[in-house]
Amino acid sequence: EAGVAQSPRYKIIEKRQSVAFWCNPISGHATLYWYQQILGQGPKLLIQFQNNGVVDDSQLPKDRFSAERLKGVDSTLKIQPAKLEDSAVYLCASSPLGRLASTDTQYFGPGTRLTVL
Amino acid sequence: KQEVTQIPAALSVPEGENLVLNCSFTDSAIYNLQWFRQDPGKGLTSLLLIQSSQREQTSGRLNASLDKSSGRSTLYIAASQPGDSATYLCAVIRKSNFGNEKLTFGTGTRLTIIP
Repeated sequence: EAGVAQSPRYKIIEKRQSVAFWCNPISGHATLYWYQQILGQGPKLLIQFQNNGVVDDSQLPKDRFSAERLKGVDSTLKIQPAKLEDSAVYLCASSPLGRLASTDTQYFGPGTRLTVL
Repeated sequence: KQEVTQIPAALSVPEGENLVLNCSFTDSAIYNLQWFRQDPGKGLTSLLLIQSSQREQTSGRLNASLDKSSGRSTLYIAASQPGDSATYLCAVIRKSNFGNEKLTFGTGTRLTIIP
């Protein structure tokens, strides 16, 4: 079974530029998550999708971050414009149904390391 | 607001020693607690999941315990090996204000096993 795929793996940009990350979850997984992991910290949930609908985007800085999951499969996360503090690893994860309290577990991709100069 | 803390932030031990990693959380209203391993340049790998009704889980040389009332969990690694070197993260699973079940992660412990 193929895992969660992410691209690119690394990205270096100047502040105020735009950047986009792509995620392909495990086939058949309805729930998709984007996390931000700043160096030395644990991952923080930015947005959670259930199929192509947003379930929780309470910690997404909506003035500069946006995300979509067209057709309930692949997802893109965009930052426009980027700030220095956006330097982090962006992790994508998926789970079958999002029922983490009972039957599901999350599967994580390798992440995209973003450096903003 | 749920806060999850892991102490120590970094730990180095000689190969073969047994060790304990600690995790504490402020809100005991959790469903489950999960321990992950993170290798450089890779995603997170789930090690153990402890449901709130359980007190411990074991997998090979790993044993995780959970005490909800005190807000603590420990991960015990027996007979450590250089391949155990990684960052270990604990995460509590709870229901958010939006009704979804979400993970709140700790800050992690970076473990180095010295050959």
